[in-house]
Amino acid sequence: SQQGEEDPQALSIQEGENATMNCSYKTSINNLQWYRQNSGRGLVHLILIRSNEREKHSGRLRVTLDTSKKSSSLLITASRAADTASYFCATKGGGSYIPTFGRGTSLIVHP
Amino acid sequence: EAGVAQSPRYKIIEKRQSVAFWCNPISGHATLYWYQQILGQGPKLLIQFQNNGVVDDSQLPKDRFSAERLKGVDSTLKIQPAKLEDSAVYLCASSLAVTGFSGNTIYFGEGSWLTVV
Repeated sequence: SQQGEEDPQALSIQEGENATMNCSYKTSINNLQWYRQNSGRGLVHLILIRSNEREKHSGRLRVTLDTSKKSSSLLITASRAADTASYFCATKGGGSYIPTFGRGTSLIVHP
Repeated sequence: EAGVAQSPRYKIIEKRQSVAFWCNPISGHATLYWYQQILGQGPKLLIQFQNNGVVDDSQLPKDRFSAERLKGVDSTLKIQPAKLEDSAVYLCASSLAVTGFSGNTIYFGEGSWLTVV
């Protein structure tokens, strides 16, 4: 299975702090994507990083990818209460076109 | 641009009854996905269509679940008969295409919440 697994399962921080969550996967990938899911809503795409990229930025988001360790991290800088959500990584690769999601990290940002 | 539309948003049924969910993907998106998300877990792919053909349905419980995308646009997911463990959110998603090293962003609908009692 390509399933990525996020760590930690839950994260609670104060507004203004940085939040870091990690994703580990099992086999080679073509790309890795991060998604956010607000409570009761669908998933929203945040950022995609390809297997030949090591770091990518989008606004307050920074994603890194270490293919040797089969892991990725998502950093949210200067967090806001509105960042409270679950964050999922999705991997695709190893000959499969099926995007597979992990269990997610639940982030709570206290105002 | 209109997003992925799903209906109904909420449904409560008794076990052994049937239910159907409808999805209209983003215009021009060839690939359509149905995911099942149980509370506290990540989405699990049930079935993936490329136009009106099935790419993967290996995790679809075919004894009770069925899905179709007859004209390569809208899709319906049916559960018959429903079990208690089918209580979940059913997410429909779409993307431009299946293949490609560049990857394709998957756009999700708001989901259809099913409670089986």
